[in-house]
Amino acid sequence: KNEVEQSPQNLTAQEGEFITINCSYSVGISALHWLQQHPGGGIVSLFMLSSGKKKHGRLIATINIQEKHSSLHITASHPRDSAVYICAAYSNYQLIWGAGTKLIIKP
Amino acid sequence: NAGVTQTPKFRVLKTGQSMTLLCAQDMNHEYMYWYRQDPGMGLRLIHYSVGEGTTAKGEVPDGYNVSRLKKQNFLLGLESAAPSQTSVYFCASKAGSTYNEQFFGPGTRLTVL
Repeated sequence: KNEVEQSPQNLTAQEGEFITINCSYSVGISALHWLQQHPGGGIVSLFMLSSGKKKHGRLIATINIQEKHSSLHITASHPRDSAVYICAAYSNYQLIWGAGTKLIIKP
Repeated sequence: NAGVTQTPKFRVLKTGQSMTLLCAQDMNHEYMYWYRQDPGMGLRLIHYSVGEGTTAKGEVPDGYNVSRLKKQNFLLGLESAAPSQTSVYFCASKAGSTYNEQFFGPGTRLTVL
């Protein structure tokens, strides 16, 4: 069993839909990192959070340390949001990586 | 600022050949990392460095060596390439020793025949 698990593995939605990607972890962590990997391969940092909620544009990330769960939400999804979304948990100063969620937004 | 850059972007090697991948960052970051990403899989840490002159093994270090002679550069070497090392290699850097976000280079696609 992976220490950081993401669900779903794959998600296809229509433009405009509200998207939720989940990240659960089994280890004690100090912070969680959400990243986006574009179809071309580049990896971009989205959020680093250790409690509560953060918002940037149409992206919202939440974390519940006690429940060992984080979610990434995308409001008013757009085809350009199509990418792989990766969560990684900081445990003992090392990042433990999830396998990623592949998101496709259809026009 | 260029951020994190990687050289080369693509490379094809024959089994047994050697090569060095270069990662450079201009953000004065202390920490640097080398990852590999295989198709359909997550990132796996090969080696990392917490400062100039220091290196440490990650999750999958076998077959690779690294050096951090200058703070801004982190080199990944393959002494004798094997087909199992066909992968996309990413370099990343971050500031400080705590829970800071990592910044990634564009990746190097390596094929070993």
